[in-house]
Amino acid sequence: GESVGLHLPTLSVQEGDNSIINCAYSNSASDYFIWYKQESGKGPQFIIDIRSNMDKRQGQRVTVLLNKTVKHLSLQIAATQPGDSAVYFCAENIGTSYDKVIFGPGTSLSVIP
Amino acid sequence: DAGVTQSPTHLIKTRGQQVTLRCSPISGHKSVSWYQQVLGQGPQFIFQYYEKEERGRGNFPDRFSARQFPNYSSELNVNALLLGDSALYLCASSSASDPLYEQYFGPGTRLTVT
Repeated sequence: GESVGLHLPTLSVQEGDNSIINCAYSNSASDYFIWYKQESGKGPQFIIDIRSNMDKRQGQRVTVLLNKTVKHLSLQIAATQPGDSAVYFCAENIGTSYDKVIFGPGTSLSVIP
Repeated sequence: DAGVTQSPTHLIKTRGQQVTLRCSPISGHKSVSWYQQVLGQGPQFIFQYYEKEERGRGNFPDRFSARQFPNYSSELNVNALLLGDSALYLCASSSASDPLYEQYFGPGTRLTVT
């Protein structure tokens, strides 16, 4: 498979601080990116998406930054809350190429009260 | 409105057996996608169906098959189970045919192969 990584990167932040979760995506031709949040025992939940013609997009308390030069995606969470504790995945795709859907290995975010 | 539902929640099978997993999409959604998520990894795309037609297939062997019914619910079948098939199987539905776009995931079916 194309999603690799047996050791889940972890990030611990203090409640109220800002969190930055990074993702190195795989395919320079990918033109659509999504961040998902997955809590224990649940399926992934959509957070925010961005297309390759943008380099920044903001949502409620979240911002996604896209750097196509170095194939890097980041998710910034402002004023992190205990409910933000979860595993975060980035996913990429090329247009309508169904076989090019790739999820990253995920980052575990732990919020310290 | 109910979200994406999957059944069963958990399943234990032995090697060589066959399994069928079921998914009901959000009402009005015509697209269903299946993903396999091995513990500690991101989901891997298996299939997408839109309007009862297979639109995409990931890098999985022919032991994996799926279908979509007229009511847009879907089944994923896995034959000749291997230990490595143990995973969380996720179903996602969408109103769009584009892969990934506005997909809503179900809670998954946890399959254990012994």
